Amino acid sequence: SAVISQKPSRDICQRGTSLTIQCQVDSQVTMMFWYRQQPGQSLTLIATANQGSEATYESGFVIDKFPISRPNLTFSTLTVSNMSPEDSSIYLCSVEGGLASYNEQFFGPGTRLTVL
Amino acid sequence: DAKTTQPPSMDCAEGRAANLPCNHSTISGNEYVYWYRQIHSQGPQYIIHGLKNNETNEMASLIITEDRKSSTLILPHATLRDTAVYYCIVRPGGGNQGGKLIFGQGTELSVKP
Repeated sequence: SAVISQKPSRDICQRGTSLTIQCQVDSQVTMMFWYRQQPGQSLTLIATANQGSEATYESGFVIDKFPISRPNLTFSTLTVSNMSPEDSSIYLCSVEGGLASYNEQFFGPGTRLTVL
Repeated sequence: DAKTTQPPSMDCAEGRAANLPCNHSTISGNEYVYWYRQIHSQGPQYIIHGLKNNETNEMASLIITEDRKSSTLILPHATLRDTAVYYCIVRPGGGNQGGKLIFGQGTELSVKP
């Protein structure tokens, strides 16, 4: 199975600032995804992080607010820009495909963000 | 929107089988049924998936009806550590074709002593 780490594990930020979350996988994977989980809610897919090209965003999410990078097959970042209290959520990355992951997605531990 | 319907909550006695139902009446021929669970404060964990045959692994069994419009996840001997939110998801096969996971609200399973 793929082992995923996320940094930071949690943060408290002021409104109007930006936070970049890192996702690192211990093996090369084909696909990487970013999810948001608001308090007491289920997971919502933000975007698919594409290696070497722009991310594919789901309805309701835009690149200016959630820029994503994926420079290689083991690493991705999600930035939450110009934050407001409504952005307080857990942000999770997940991975699929490659030698360690076929037909199942593995999830990172999440980054718990609080915006004041 | 999620293509599945699950009861919002269920209780189960420790040591007994937990049977979690899921309706997916609009499932397409190329879509699989996946089950994940999320233990409090952790990322979701893959449990099992299937296309049309029943499946079993070390964690659970998946029973899919012949018409594929519903399925049941079975935890044969539930423990307190199985208390979690269980998500039933339908999507095209994964691997390098990788379909995105669309999570519904899931079933909150409480295993009680």
